[in-house]
Amino acid sequence: QQPVQSPQAVILREGEDAVINCSSSKALYSVHWYRQKHGEAPVFLMILLKGGEQKGHEKISASFNEKKQQSSLYLTASQLSYSGTYFCGTGGPSPNNAGNMLTFGGGTRLMVKP
Amino acid sequence: GAGVSQSPRYKVTKRGQDVALRCDPISGHVSLYWYRQALGQGPEFLTYFNYEAQQDKSGLPNDRFSAERPEGSISTLTIQRTEQRDSAMYRCASSPRETGELFFGEGSRLTVL
Repeated sequence: QQPVQSPQAVILREGEDAVINCSSSKALYSVHWYRQKHGEAPVFLMILLKGGEQKGHEKISASFNEKKQQSSLYLTASQLSYSGTYFCGTGGPSPNNAGNMLTFGGGTRLMVKP
Repeated sequence: GAGVSQSPRYKVTKRGQDVALRCDPISGHVSLYWYRQALGQGPEFLTYFNYEAQQDKSGLPNDRFSAERPEGSISTLTIQRTEQRDSAMYRCASSPRETGELFFGEGSRLTVL
């Protein structure tokens, strides 16, 4: 079943922060985050594995709460280059079938304005 | 090449025709995945390979869809007797191992008239 992302869309001013949530109805082993700019291929941001660890990528970080089957992506001090659609992809529920057979959410459209 | 290469980039075909979409992964990448992406939606898993072995094809919509990777490198996704509902962007992705970063190609946009 497809994970649910919220919000569906968000508009920010440069320098503002945003949080994108990803929620699944099934047990997860991993959550993957990708960003896709209009007309381009999705680009990998990060993977979070079961264990609740938080990972960071410059000013973008994420957390994974496997008990709640949720992940959140945090964008701080947003830049114009952050604009795009963010997708979470879920894998699991065990390492044996985690892999990259991902079920992606519907996406969150982020627009950063000057 | 530096990235995942897909061809053709655009394919327009008539209903009932067969199409073959090609993917050339990043050299040395073990795993190759096929996803389908509808406009405004996230990618939808179709099938994947480790080397030449097809590991899972549970995402293929029906038996008109098939994929192969005979020598563990280039892969072909074939759609027989195409239907209008097959119209979508078909994306190939490769990964150096079974779990990890996916490197997506630019995709093949299929339009079935």
